[in-house]
Amino acid sequence: EAGVAQSPRYKIIEKRQSVAFWCNPISGHATLYWYQQILGQGPKLLIQFQNNGVVDDSQLPKDRFSAERLKGVDSTLKIQPAKLEDSAVYLCASSPFSPGLAGNTGELFFGEGSRLTVL
Amino acid sequence: SQQGEEDPQALSIQEGENATMNCSYKTSINNLQWYRQNSGRGLVHLILIRSNEREKHSGRLRVTLDTSKKSSSLLITASRAADTASYFCAAYGNNRLAFGKGNQVVVIP
Repeated sequence: EAGVAQSPRYKIIEKRQSVAFWCNPISGHATLYWYQQILGQGPKLLIQFQNNGVVDDSQLPKDRFSAERLKGVDSTLKIQPAKLEDSAVYLCASSPFSPGLAGNTGELFFGEGSRLTVL
Repeated sequence: SQQGEEDPQALSIQEGENATMNCSYKTSINNLQWYRQNSGRGLVHLILIRSNEREKHSGRLRVTLDTSKKSSSLLITASRAADTASYFCAAYGNNRLAFGKGNQVVVIP
């Protein structure tokens, strides 16, 4: 079974430029997450999708970050314009369970991440 | 929101020794999970303990949960060089998984 695919693995941009990351979850997984992981810290949830709908984007800096999952499969996370403090690894994760569904353990399957450096 | 917090944050041990990491969380949970992250890689799920469980084993891993103290510990027995990684606890509740800051473990061959 193929895992969560992310691209690009690495990206270097200058501040005020824009960047986009792509994620393809495990086939059949209804729920998709984007996490931001700053060096030396744990992952912080940015946004959670169930199919093509947003479940939780309370921690997404909406003035510069946007994400979509139009067809309920793959997803794109965009940052525009980027700031120095956006330097981080952006992790995509998926789950076969929907939020609130009985039996949902919350276990996530992560991709390798996209490392962003903003200069 | 819940937030796991591990203690200590860095651990260096000799191969064959045991490694213990602790984690605390703030609110009620459905379960507590531990993940491993090798350098430059994504997180991999290791073990999950439900809120009504006190101890769980999986291979060389042993996790405990004390809901009265809102704390958990992860023990890796007979460590190997390949166990060198960062370990994160994650508290699951209210349909959200919240990660702690992580423990960096270095196993010296």
